[in-house]
Amino acid sequence: TQLLEQSPQFLSIQEGENLTVYCNSSSVFSSLQWYRQEPGEGPVLLVTVVTGGEVKKLKRLTFQFGDARKDSSLHITAAQPGDTGLYLCAGTLIQGAQKLVFGQGTRLTINP
Amino acid sequence: DTGVSQNPRHKITKRGQNVTFRCDPISEHNRLYWYRQTLGQGPEFLTYFQNEAQLEKSRLLSDRFSAERPKGSFSTLEIQRTEQGDSAMYLCASSPVQGITEAFFGQGTRLTVV
Repeated sequence: TQLLEQSPQFLSIQEGENLTVYCNSSSVFSSLQWYRQEPGEGPVLLVTVVTGGEVKKLKRLTFQFGDARKDSSLHITAAQPGDTGLYLCAGTLIQGAQKLVFGQGTRLTINP
Repeated sequence: DTGVSQNPRHKITKRGQNVTFRCDPISEHNRLYWYRQTLGQGPEFLTYFQNEAQLEKSRLLSDRFSAERPKGSFSTLEIQRTEQGDSAMYLCASSPVQGITEAFFGQGTRLTVV
């Protein structure tokens, strides 16, 4: 079973549209991170959220951590072709080992 | 360059051969992680170290896989008697012990077993 479930797994939209990607779990996390990965490269850290209810903005990207620290969302406004990539959420459980676990990813394609 | 470095970037090997990958983490980071990623999927946790101590190893990991971090700096991941199902991207990441766990990844080693 996947500890972090991402949805949708695939998303293809037109340039200029808005989109939201979700990352859900039944477990509580001490922090959640969002990464973006290009083909053939390692994931690159975009943001970390730590406090329940926290909202962080990175240009056109808005990240939110759920109040109960079990879920997170990534919202992209006015998507551009350069946003195309694999978006991964990852987190560290509040109890237990300090390993970082990943969701299965959302493959995003922005069409010109 | 002070990022995470992985070598080699690509490795093609015949089934049954042994392979070894190396990871050099960011120098001040005490934690080092190994992940495996197949096409279109998220990284799957393999093992992690804090300094030279291996703190956790995935139960899904075959006995053919072994990792070391002898001096708490670089790490190696060895796969013995490779199988075609081992073909994947092997990712290494490092993070500091203090504070929240933010992992910084290398570019990965792409393994193809033929």
